[in-house]
Amino acid sequence: DVVLTQSPLSLPVTLGQPASISCRSSQSLVYTDGNIYLTWFQQRPGQSPRRLIYKISHRDSGVPDRFSGSGSGTDFTLKISRVEAEDVGVYYCMQGTHGPGTFGQGTKLEIK
Amino acid sequence: QVQMVQSGAEVKKPGASVKVSCKASGYTFSNFGISWVRLAPGQGLEWVGWISAYNGNTRYARKFQGRVSMTTDTSTSTAYMELRSLRSDDTAVFYCTRDVPVVAAPLFDYWGQGTLVTVSS
Repeated sequence: DVVLTQSPLSLPVTLGQPASISCRSSQSLVYTDGNIYLTWFQQRPGQSPRRLIYKISHRDSGVPDRFSGSGSGTDFTLKISRVEAEDVGVYYCMQGTHGPGTFGQGTKLEIK
Repeated sequence: QVQMVQSGAEVKKPGASVKVSCKASGYTFSNFGISWVRLAPGQGLEWVGWISAYNGNTRYARKFQGRVSMTTDTSTSTAYMELRSLRSDDTAVFYCTRDVPVVAAPLFDYWGQGTLVTVSS
């Protein structure tokens, strides 16, 4: 089974500073159609998960452009260019290349 | 706009069953599927299973096989998840999320508000 490993698991960040979350897969996430189905979700306290980015780097509608995704093969990164208070929450990566969704452990972003 | 509205919180005793509903609106229900995802206390997100509202096909996570059933009612655009033989470690928030209609890479683009299932004697 594919395992996704996120780091760090806890991320204290100063408002206005950048933040970066890594997601590493135990297997290549290249699908038979050539796409890589790596998705990022944000879960704010008390809310449902929200899809932020799909297929590595495609931002969902309404997601601020301070969020960006990158990566290839087995290593992926979610970056926030300037953290705002509303970004507090848990961030999950998920792969959809090998079978149904498998999630990383989650990274808790908090304001320092 | 797409909305997924789930049924309310449930409290169950160990060994009982629970059935959670998810009513979708704002899109053609039978053109998509529904996945269910669990968030247990202190844990991360975990996929429970998927049902196609297009053809009724299902897939379940290995750890829930034999205890979970998913169904849809296309006349009311509602999906259901039943979990049987509940244990205390089944206590969690269950989310429905819009998914693909056939076996393919998952969508998970819209989510319900979550249903807290508490299992306690």
